[in-house]
Amino acid sequence: DAGVIQSPRHEVTEMGQEVTLRCKPISGHNSLFWYRQTMMRGLELLIYFNNNVPIDDSGMPEDRFSAKMPNASFSTLKIQPSEPRDSAVYFCASSLGETGVQPQHFGDGTRLSIL
Amino acid sequence: AQSVTQLDSQVPVFEEAPVELRCNYSSSVSVYLFWYVQYPNQGLQLLLKYLSGSTLVKGINGFEAEFNKSQTSFHLRKPSVHISDTAEYFCAVNSGGYQKVTFGTGTKLQVIP
Repeated sequence: DAGVIQSPRHEVTEMGQEVTLRCKPISGHNSLFWYRQTMMRGLELLIYFNNNVPIDDSGMPEDRFSAKMPNASFSTLKIQPSEPRDSAVYFCASSLGETGVQPQHFGDGTRLSIL
Repeated sequence: AQSVTQLDSQVPVFEEAPVELRCNYSSSVSVYLFWYVQYPNQGLQLLLKYLSGSTLVKGINGFEAEFNKSQTSFHLRKPSVHISDTAEYFCAVNSGGYQKVTFGTGTKLQVIP
């Protein structure tokens, strides 16, 4: 079975540029999560979707970050304009159900470097 | 509110020796508990989970964890580690609701040949 697919795996860009990260969840999963992982702050939940609807975006750092889920098989996380402090590994995860008993399945992440 | 504390940021252990990675949680309601493993340049993978029932939970790769409600702990153990177990391990808690899982800060297990 295909797992969660993220693209690109690596992204290097200059400060001020727009960055778009992509995620394809596991087919049939109805919950999708975006996380950011850094040495300093560990793993942070940015936003959570259920049935394509954003449920909790309280972890989104600021207005420069936006996330969309236009359908059940695709989500994007966009940073505009990007800043060096956005450098991190961004993970997408998906799971089935709403009750919290199902584990999350993670993609391999996008390593983002903002110069 | 829920929280997770992983007391050790790094744990070195010799190959074939036993290991215990500690996890304590805080929650005012019943919890679901998870251990995930992250290998270099990969995402997190589920090792095991506790939902209810038996307090001793067995997972993949020979790992097990014991849920202790009185001590609010969920320590991860393996009787004999292998080089391939070198990775970072995350404890996580969920108090139900819409699945906002809280992850610990991670413990890096380094297996020494």
